[in-house]
Amino acid sequence: DTGVTQSPTHLIKTRGQQVTLRCSPISGHKSVSWYQQVLGQGPQFIFQYYEKEERGRGNFPDRFSARQFPNYSSELNVNALLLGDSALYLCASASGPMGEQYFGPGTRLTVT
Amino acid sequence: GQQLNQSPQSMFIQEGEDVSMNCTSSSIFNTWLWYKQDPGEGPVLLIALYKAGELTSNGRLTAQFGITRKDSFLNISASIPSDVGIYFCAVSSNTGNQFYFGTGTSLTVIP
Repeated sequence: DTGVTQSPTHLIKTRGQQVTLRCSPISGHKSVSWYQQVLGQGPQFIFQYYEKEERGRGNFPDRFSARQFPNYSSELNVNALLLGDSALYLCASASGPMGEQYFGPGTRLTVT
Repeated sequence: GQQLNQSPQSMFIQEGEDVSMNCTSSSIFNTWLWYKQDPGEGPVLLIALYKAGELTSNGRLTAQFGITRKDSFLNISASIPSDVGIYFCAVSSNTGNQFYFGTGTSLTVIP
C-alpha cells in the first residue's frame, strides 16, 4: 500500500508570497490533518479535515487555510508568507476522525 | 494550547542498554500515541494507547497509559543503533478535533 504522499518535497518562497501544499492520504482514509514543525520542536496542529469538512483548527492565523477534495486529498494554503512560516509541513491521514494518524514525509518550506 | 512535557529532553546510551522516557500533561486525555521521527522525515507511529492503565508492546518497545490519564511512558529494551531519533508523545483532545505533540526526547545510541 502507498503511504501518505506530499508534494512538493521542498519549496523556497519570498516573504509576502502565497504557497499551496498538497497531500494524498492512505487509500481508504477519510481524515487528513496538517501540522507545522519548526526545527527543534514537536509538530503543531493546524487543521483536521474529515469527510471534506473542517473538523478541527489549531491556533494559527487566518493566513492559513485548507480544503479537502472528494477523493480525500487535501491542500494547505498559506498567504502573505512570513519568515517565521519556514518549517516542515506535515500531513497525516487516518481512517476516521479520531483514529491513529499516519504521517507523510513532509514539505520543507523556506521563506526568504 | 495544551502542553505535553517529555523527559528527559535527550539521552545518550550505550548499545544494548534499556531506555525509559515519559510524557506528562496537566489535563486528562483518553488517547496517547508514541511516534519516532528521523531527521527530515515524518513521524512514524510506534504505539497507540486507548485505555487507562493499558500496557502495550511492539517488539522491543513497551508503552503504558497512566492510570490518572495524565501521563504515559515508553520503554525500549536492548537498544540498537537504529533506535536513534526523536521520540514524541501525542494526544488527541477528548472531542477528537485537536491534536497535541510533546516536546520530544532525542535518543542517541553509542555503538
